[in-house]
Amino acid sequence: QQQVKQSPQSLIVQKGGISIINCAYENTAFDYFPWYQQFPGKGPALLIAIRPDVSEKKEGRFTISFNKSAKQFSLHIMDSQPGDSATYFCAASKEETSGSRLTFGEGTQLTVNP
Amino acid sequence: KAGVTQTPRYLIKTRGQQVTLSCSPISGHRSVSWYQQTPGQGLQFLFEYFSETQRNKGNFPGRFSGRQFSNSRSEMNVSTLELGDSALYLCASSLNELAILRAGELFFGEGSRLTVL
Repeated sequence: QQQVKQSPQSLIVQKGGISIINCAYENTAFDYFPWYQQFPGKGPALLIAIRPDVSEKKEGRFTISFNKSAKQFSLHIMDSQPGDSATYFCAASKEETSGSRLTFGEGTQLTVNP
Repeated sequence: KAGVTQTPRYLIKTRGQQVTLSCSPISGHRSVSWYQQTPGQGLQFLFEYFSETQRNKGNFPGRFSGRQFSNSRSEMNVSTLELGDSALYLCASSLNELAILRAGELFFGEGSRLTVL
């Protein structure tokens, strides 16, 4: 059972544009929502994370928006750059009992054209 | 600080064989978790170890096993390999403490790419 659904599967944006990736989760016990970025040949790396006590978190050009009632969260990349071209994964976990057990979305392959 | 080191990076096995993959976490990290990454299933959690004890286990058959040593290094083993076990196996370490099972940043290695023929 896929507990975290991610869309779109692939995304192409122009340099300077906004990239938006969406995720929806089913398990209401989830209380930690990170985004990971993966370049070819590398392992995923944490980009930004949010907990449900806030509706938005911004770090530089990256913003997570969180809608607890809709069980959805999204990643916005402002002023997208060719160097942002990578695969992005949303994830979720239940902190108290799950530790490092993350449930990942399917991934979004982002291409930023120069 | 050195990152998470996984060995070997690439390996080819045949069906029925077994394989052992190794992971050295970042110095000071006591939690090590393993994930399987495939194009079809994405990233799936295998198990997590903390202080030599398995703390969490994913939904994989018993052919998949792991262990952690006193120096926090970890190994995972897959026995009786099947074609579907072909995947990138990722190890991640973190500073998760036993007293507070609070999710923190996972630091992933570059993975061990297993091909089963």
